[in-house]
Amino acid sequence: ETGVTQSPTHLIKTRGQQVTLRCSSQSGHNTVSWYQQALGQGPQFIFQYYREEENGRGNFPPRFSGLQFPNYSSELNVNALELDDSALYLCASSSTGGPDYGYTFGSGTRLTVV
Amino acid sequence: AQSVTQPDIHITVSEGASLELRCNYSYGATPYLFWYVQSPGQGLQLLLKYFSGDTLVQGIKGFEAEFKRSQSSFNLRKPSVHWSDAAEYFCAVGASTGFQKLVFGTGTRLLVSP
Repeated sequence: ETGVTQSPTHLIKTRGQQVTLRCSSQSGHNTVSWYQQALGQGPQFIFQYYREEENGRGNFPPRFSGLQFPNYSSELNVNALELDDSALYLCASSSTGGPDYGYTFGSGTRLTVV
Repeated sequence: AQSVTQPDIHITVSEGASLELRCNYSYGATPYLFWYVQSPGQGLQLLLKYFSGDTLVQGIKGFEAEFKRSQSSFNLRKPSVHWSDAAEYFCAVGASTGFQKLVFGTGTRLLVSP
């Protein structure tokens, strides 16, 4: 059973640029969520995808967008990067509808905006 | 809306001593509760979770947590701390119905002294 894989592990971008982060969900999981973890903070929910549709969103602006693919992998896109977007971005997959409610997290992508 | 409070930002414990990390939550119904551990630069690893039933939950690495509805608490405990337990610990609450997302506390950094 493979876990959640995120790429790249580290990324440096310039303010105003766009970035795409990728996530492969754990085998058997059909739901993917993205979280932003600023330095010294707990993770904050960005959005969740289920069956290729966004089915929940946190308090993040529209320049944060995502996709989920038929194989349940996912992308997080951030446009017009700002310095405050520097953070660890965590992807988590889960299986809906079953008793094992819980998330498997990836190791994250560390994004630095300069 | 759900919320989590972890009142201790840092805790230092001697190796071999017992540990208790505090977590208080706010949620209108019976919550799903989680404890995660994060080593520096890493993703989140699930220690244990509570959905229902026995209020004392056993997890990995010798950790346990007790759900106390009357106090809205879900404190994490370990009888004897090892140096390898030094990490950041996050408590999280999830809704028991409907949309799945986790709301995290700000974390407690555990330092283990020799």
